[in-house]
Amino acid sequence: GENVEQHPSTLSVQEGDSAVIKCTYSDSASNYFPWYKQELGKGPQLIIDIRSNVGEKKDQRIAVTLNKTAKHFSLHITETQPEDSAVYFCAASENNYGQNFVFGPGTRLSVLP
Amino acid sequence: DAMVIQNPRYQVTQFGKPVTLSCSQTLNHNVMYWYQQKSSQAPKLLFHYYDKDFNNEADTPDNFQSRRPNTSFCFLDIRSPGLGDAAMYLCATSAGTGGYEQYFGPGTRLTVT
Repeated sequence: GENVEQHPSTLSVQEGDSAVIKCTYSDSASNYFPWYKQELGKGPQLIIDIRSNVGEKKDQRIAVTLNKTAKHFSLHITETQPEDSAVYFCAASENNYGQNFVFGPGTRLSVLP
Repeated sequence: DAMVIQNPRYQVTQFGKPVTLSCSQTLNHNVMYWYQQKSSQAPKLLFHYYDKDFNNEADTPDNFQSRRPNTSFCFLDIRSPGLGDAAMYLCATSAGTGGYEQYFGPGTRLTVT
């Protein structure tokens, strides 16, 4: 089955700096890769996702890159702000009926003012 | 515009006393999921419904049951809660399985005394 690893487990950056979180997956059949942000006491919220037919996707300060050959994908947050502080989870899934997300273990991002 | 609603937000139950958590959705999604999330861990899928079809994860304890009486509602029943069942329980919905975004509710924090 699919296995998703995520690094680093914790990340501290200064406000305004960039943050990068990397995930690797094991199943080459996986083709959908969402990123979720979870603030304290709340449910995860999708912030960006990418499918295997695309190498990069950007939404304002957030971008995701995918390297299918190496089986890794990364979240990039530029110009970080204190409200970006949260736990971020990557996930991988195969775009087929009955397939479910396999989540990475999470990265706790702290943006220091 | 609440889309996935969970009640209650906080639940305290006694060891061995049955408890039911509820989830409702306004998205008219086919799929509803229940996840268990313990502190500093990724959400762990317990089971999901695709319409009325129930799909149990292989490692979900028999102590956990679920009901989906209609499209909008789904319930998580814990028949005999143990101390190890104290966790955040997250409900999520999606239009389909695999490569579909999952929308999470705010979660129910369960405490077992």
